[in-house]
Amino acid sequence: QKEVEQNSGPLSVPEGAIASLNCTYSDRVSQSFFWYRQYSGKSPELIMSIYSNGDKEDGRFTAQLNKASQYVSLLIRDSQPSDSATYLCAVNRAGTASKLTFGTGTRLQVTL
Amino acid sequence: DADVTQTPRNRITKTGKRIMLECSQTKGHDRMYWYRQDPGLGLRLIYYSFDVKDINKGEISDGYSVSRQAQAKFSLSLESAIPNQTALYFCATSTPGRNRQGFSGELFFGEGSRLTVL
Repeated sequence: QKEVEQNSGPLSVPEGAIASLNCTYSDRVSQSFFWYRQYSGKSPELIMSIYSNGDKEDGRFTAQLNKASQYVSLLIRDSQPSDSATYLCAVNRAGTASKLTFGTGTRLQVTL
Repeated sequence: DADVTQTPRNRITKTGKRIMLECSQTKGHDRMYWYRQDPGLGLRLIYYSFDVKDINKGEISDGYSVSRQAQAKFSLSLESAIPNQTALYFCATSTPGRNRQGFSGELFFGEGSRLTVL
């Protein structure tokens, strides 16, 4: 089992819809969770971080964490074509300082 | 100019050649990392360094070596390149950034170095 699993997609949503991206992780002692966005041919950039169970909202983005189910998700409201990218879930396990383990990413396509 | 600069951006080489990828940063961060990205495998950590005298292996260090020449410079070497080392390589930096839950920082990535080994 991979430490961090994501559906590779592509996930296709129409403009204005809600995109829901999911990630599961295997290590129960994971503590910090991150979503990075990577445009084609570019480097990843951090868009959200979450540390506690529940929801965290930042503009059109909401990260959701459920540690009991070992599940973290990213919702993008009012999806725009500029949101089309690959979204990488990353996890920091307890005792690993600042090392992140990344999922393989989900490619999101927002259609007009 | 980019805060995290990688050179070269693209390199084609032959099996058995020695290759060095260089990374320099102006962010003043102590922590530096080398990742490789492959389709379907995501980003995987090769080596990381928390300061000039602290270098650690990541999950896929075999076939690679690193040198931390200064706080701002971290180089990745392939002593004898092989085709399955063909990948996109990223250098990244971070602060320690820690809260009660753990690492709360952010990785800042360079633009990537695309390496092809024939």
